[in-house]
Amino acid sequence: TQLLEQSPQFLSIQEGENLTVYCNSSSVFSSLQWYRQEPGEGPVLLVTVVTGGEVKKLKRLTFQFGDARKDSSLHITAAQPGDTGLYLCAGARTSGNTPLVFGKGTRLSVIA
Amino acid sequence: DAMVIQNPRYQVTQFGKPVTLSCSQTLNHNVMYWYQQKSSQAPKLLFHYYDKDFNNEADTPDNFQSRRPNTSFCFLDIRSPGLGDAAMYLCATSRSRGGIGKLFFGSGTQLSVL
Repeated sequence: TQLLEQSPQFLSIQEGENLTVYCNSSSVFSSLQWYRQEPGEGPVLLVTVVTGGEVKKLKRLTFQFGDARKDSSLHITAAQPGDTGLYLCAGARTSGNTPLVFGKGTRLSVIA
Repeated sequence: DAMVIQNPRYQVTQFGKPVTLSCSQTLNHNVMYWYQQKSSQAPKLLFHYYDKDFNNEADTPDNFQSRRPNTSFCFLDIRSPGLGDAAMYLCATSRSRGGIGKLFFGSGTQLSVL
C-alpha cells in the first residue's frame, strides 16, 4: 500500500497555464516536504511545511499543508518550461527518527 | 559545488556479476541513505546509516549490502544483480535522522543489468 498518494500521476500543460498537484494520505504527518527531480538528477528540496493549514510561497509556487496534516497541495502559477520535472512529496510519520516516506510523484511537462 | 557525489553516473553490469556503487559527501552529515528508484515509482529506501549504526529496511533483499567506512563515504554492494535490480540508485544525506531534516541527494547512478 502506498502511504502517500500523489495526483495526477502525469500532467502536460502549455506554458502560462496554472496547475495544482496533490499529495494525500489517511495518516497524519508531523511535517511534509516537496522535492523536484529533473531527468537524470537527484531530487532537490523545494519546501518543508510543518503546521496544519500552513501556506508557503516560493516565487510562482504555493504550497499548502492541510489543517489535519494529512494532505498537501502544490499550485504553480503561469507555468514555465523550467518547471518541468517530477514533483515528489515526502512525509515524516512522527517527530522521531523515522525516515521520510515518499509518494510516487507527479510528472509535469510544460510545453512552450 | 556538488555536495553529495555519486559514481559512476551510469553503470552496466551482467546478470549475477557483483557491482559496487559509491557515494561521498562533503557536508559532514551524520546520516546517509540509499534509495532505489524505478521508473514512475517513488524512491524506495533500502537502508540508512546514522553514524556507524546501520539500519536495514525490512523488505530490502539480502542481495543488497552497504558499507560506510567513514563519515564521508558510503557504498552499495549488489552481490548478484538480477534484471529486476535495474534502476536509479540515489544516495542522500541529512544532518539528523528526524523527518523534518532536509535530504541532500546525489545525482544518482543509473544501473543497467544485461
